Amino acid sequence: AQSVTQLDSHVSVSEGTPVLLRCNYSSSYSPSLFWYVQHPNKGLQLLLKYTSAATLVKGINGFEAEFKKSETSFHLTKPSAHMSDAAEYFCVVSVGDMRFGAGTRLTVKP
Amino acid sequence: DVKVTQSSRYLVKRTGEKVFLECVQDMDHENMFWYRQDPGLGLRLIYFSYDVKMKEKGDIPEGYSVSREKKERFSLILESASTNQTSMYLCASSLALGLDDNEQFFGPGTRLTVL
Repeated sequence: AQSVTQLDSHVSVSEGTPVLLRCNYSSSYSPSLFWYVQHPNKGLQLLLKYTSAATLVKGINGFEAEFKKSETSFHLTKPSAHMSDAAEYFCVVSVGDMRFGAGTRLTVKP
Repeated sequence: DVKVTQSSRYLVKRTGEKVFLECVQDMDHENMFWYRQDPGLGLRLIYFSYDVKMKEKGDIPEGYSVSREKKERFSLILESASTNQTSMYLCASSLALGLDDNEQFFGPGTRLTVL
């Protein structure tokens, strides 16, 4: 069985500062890992995915994530936050079926 | 682009009513899913379907049923709505099972309130 833990339910940053959203996973097999973003009143949109290729994955809107097997982590980062990044972010682990984390709400202050 | 549409964005129903939530995808995907999303709990899988007329229970199927008569359409049914089913319901679709990078594409969601 697989599971995922998002370590922060809420992260607040100032515009122009780095973003770090943390995710740890548990899986008996080599998983695929995803980050999805949900803007207010919208559906989920895929940011990026890891599927056993390069461990550093680049996604849309300047986000990237690094797969670290030794730490069972898949943290999401962005060098400089923008106001439009304010949203809820979900880390997902997949081995056959998908398991979603509880979500991290990102607030960006002007 | 894949498009997943849901019949209603907002729905208000009374306790005991029968509720139908409809979802349609236009990319000939094999798999379709229904989730509910609640604050602090993320997304929880209710039911999924990997083919027409096929369905599988997810993590929280109690109080729900589904129907998939056509490949593009997947319906979620609340036989007798209860207040604890007030939630955001999200539909998703994906290509066939067994693919490692099986991205799911989501609809905009239906916010259901049961009074």
